[in-house]
Amino acid sequence: EAGVAQSPRYKIIEKRQSVAFWCNPISGHATLYWYQQILGQGPKLLIQFQNNGVVDDSQLPKDRFSAERLKGVDSTLKIQPAKLEDSAVYLCASSVGDSGTYEQYFGPGTRLTVT
Amino acid sequence: GQNIDQPTEMTATEGAIVQINCTYQTSGFNGLFWYQQHAGEAPTFLSYNVLDGLEEKGRFSSFLSRSKGYSYLLLKELQMKDSASYLCAVYMDDYKLSFGAGTTVTVRA
Repeated sequence: EAGVAQSPRYKIIEKRQSVAFWCNPISGHATLYWYQQILGQGPKLLIQFQNNGVVDDSQLPKDRFSAERLKGVDSTLKIQPAKLEDSAVYLCASSVGDSGTYEQYFGPGTRLTVT
Repeated sequence: GQNIDQPTEMTATEGAIVQINCTYQTSGFNGLFWYQQHAGEAPTFLSYNVLDGLEEKGRFSSFLSRSKGYSYLLLKELQMKDSASYLCAVYMDDYKLSFGAGTTVTVRA
């Protein structure tokens, strides 16, 4: 079974530029999550989708971050404009459902460096 | 706010046993996960506890006490490949995962 796919794996941009990350979840997984993991910290949930609807985006900095999951499969996360503090690994995860018993499977992440 | 505490670093010798403690104070509780994360890689699932007690899975065991807001991950017969960060994560009432900062375990020969 193929895992969660993410691209690109690495990205370096200058502050005020924009960047987009792509995620393809495990086939059949209804729930998709985007996390931000700053060096030395645990992952922090940015947004959660159930199929193509947003379940929770309370921690998404909506003035600069946006995310969509068209057709309830792939998802993109965009940052515009980027700030230095956005340097982090962006992890995508998926699960079968949004119940607490469903394990989340993580992708390899995209390491973003903002200079 | 959510508070999940675990030690920052631990070092142990190959073949030894290490116990990583996690204490939590969160908005509700629906279970506790442990994930392993090697440097530069994605977290991978190790264990899930929802009831009090010990869950054993090969060299790894996880314990939960809901009344004490406490869990530990026990790594036995340590191998060099066990050098990684171990993340404690709580499933809260709204079924969101809240992660601790992780414990970096270094296994020495």
